[in-house]
Amino acid sequence: DTEVTQTPKHLVMGMTNKKSLKCEQHMGHRAMYWYKQKAKKPPELMFVYSYEKLSINESVPSRFSPECPNSSLLNLHLHALQPEDSALYLCASSQSLAVLSYEQYFGPGTRLTVT
Amino acid sequence: QKEVEQDPGPLSVPEGAIVSLNCTYSNSAFQYFMWYRQYSRKGPELLMYTYSSGNKEDGRFTAQVDKSSKYISLFIRDSQPSDSATYLCAMSVRTNAGKSTFGDGTTLTVKP
Repeated sequence: DTEVTQTPKHLVMGMTNKKSLKCEQHMGHRAMYWYKQKAKKPPELMFVYSYEKLSINESVPSRFSPECPNSSLLNLHLHALQPEDSALYLCASSQSLAVLSYEQYFGPGTRLTVT
Repeated sequence: QKEVEQDPGPLSVPEGAIVSLNCTYSNSAFQYFMWYRQYSRKGPELLMYTYSSGNKEDGRFTAQVDKSSKYISLFIRDSQPSDSATYLCAMSVRTNAGKSTFGDGTTLTVKP
């Protein structure tokens, strides 16, 4: 099973709201990622977790707060977002950052609209 | 100059054609090469990956890497309308695990 699931599929939120995106994988992968993708652009890395610890933060604004409660779950908490944060948010996983295996498996994404 | 260059297209071909998608790169440290397919409003789907120069085949898809020329290709044989999507190349260096550098993607339409 090479599936990464994400909920919700769509989310509309106001600039004062707090919401969370959820990602789950059951492939036994120990690296999990959050990406942001704007229309007609490639995915842009936001965060990487390795063995449930934050490994990479690509200077993402603090209004985005990631959390990795266990090896299968990854959350992205959203607060006080701006309209320019509207995008497709993608979760991905890979076997591990330690193993020479760089291929990532992506979820279907959450399409976020900030009003 | 971008580290990875990919012609955005769009590319339109008739059904059954052989499609060639290409990326060039400037960072000679790239050692891992991936191709993803992304349908409209969906997440990218890993198609193929390779760690070395040469060819790798999977069904109708062949990935080719030429490290000496810093050039990678994805060939699709007997293209089908269901192959219509955006194709993204991605590359990683061994010492920077977790970070892939993506091309901008090539949009392909296969017409019946």
